[in-house]
Amino acid sequence: AQKITQTQPGMFVQEKEAVTLDCTYDTSDPSYGLFWYKQPSSGEMIFLIYQGSYDQQNATEGRYSLNFQKARKSANLVISASQLGDSAMYFCAMREDILTGGGNKLTFGTGTQLKVEL
Amino acid sequence: DAGVIQSPRHEVTEMGQEVTLRCKPISGHDYLFWYRQTMMRGLELLIYFNNNVPIDDSGMPEDRFSAKMPNASFSTLKIQPSEPRDSAVYFCASRQGRTSKETQYFGPGTRLLVL
Repeated sequence: AQKITQTQPGMFVQEKEAVTLDCTYDTSDPSYGLFWYKQPSSGEMIFLIYQGSYDQQNATEGRYSLNFQKARKSANLVISASQLGDSAMYFCAMREDILTGGGNKLTFGTGTQLKVEL
Repeated sequence: DAGVIQSPRHEVTEMGQEVTLRCKPISGHDYLFWYRQTMMRGLELLIYFNNNVPIDDSGMPEDRFSAKMPNASFSTLKIQPSEPRDSAVYFCASRQGRTSKETQYFGPGTRLLVL
């Protein structure tokens, strides 16, 4: 079974609108972390936001927020006020067993290509 | 602080040649990871090190691939002999162990083309 599922291969959004990128995950580990990375056409992987499984509040970083629904095992990325520079591939990733420090592998989803239009 | 540094940024070589990719992690980070990204397989973890020691190399595709970390500030990924199917973007990433976020920071990647 896929550990990280991103069901939207491509998304379009109008500039200045908000957009939600979906991510569901599968784990039986009670302690895990969820990450979102952005990969623009230039190729680098840019860390955006992190959510720990025991965090009480949803993570926010500027225009990025994470809609974390633990019972549904979803960690959707919300980008508010989209900008042309947000056009990129977005990856959701998970690391398990974070409390003991034993989990070191990041498992990535297949990504969502976001295109911001004028 | 400088981020993760990788060299070369682009490499074009012929099948059968040896390829060496280099990585300098962020200072103070004690974990280093090598990933490969292709359209077909996405992002794959090849190997990672902790305090310069290889911990898990189960993602290394075959014996043609080898990785070393002789010190805390340098790692290499070597492919010998290279094959066209090795064409991919190779990323190095590093992180500090056991921080609350445990975020991995990626280098810019090396785009490898094997002809």
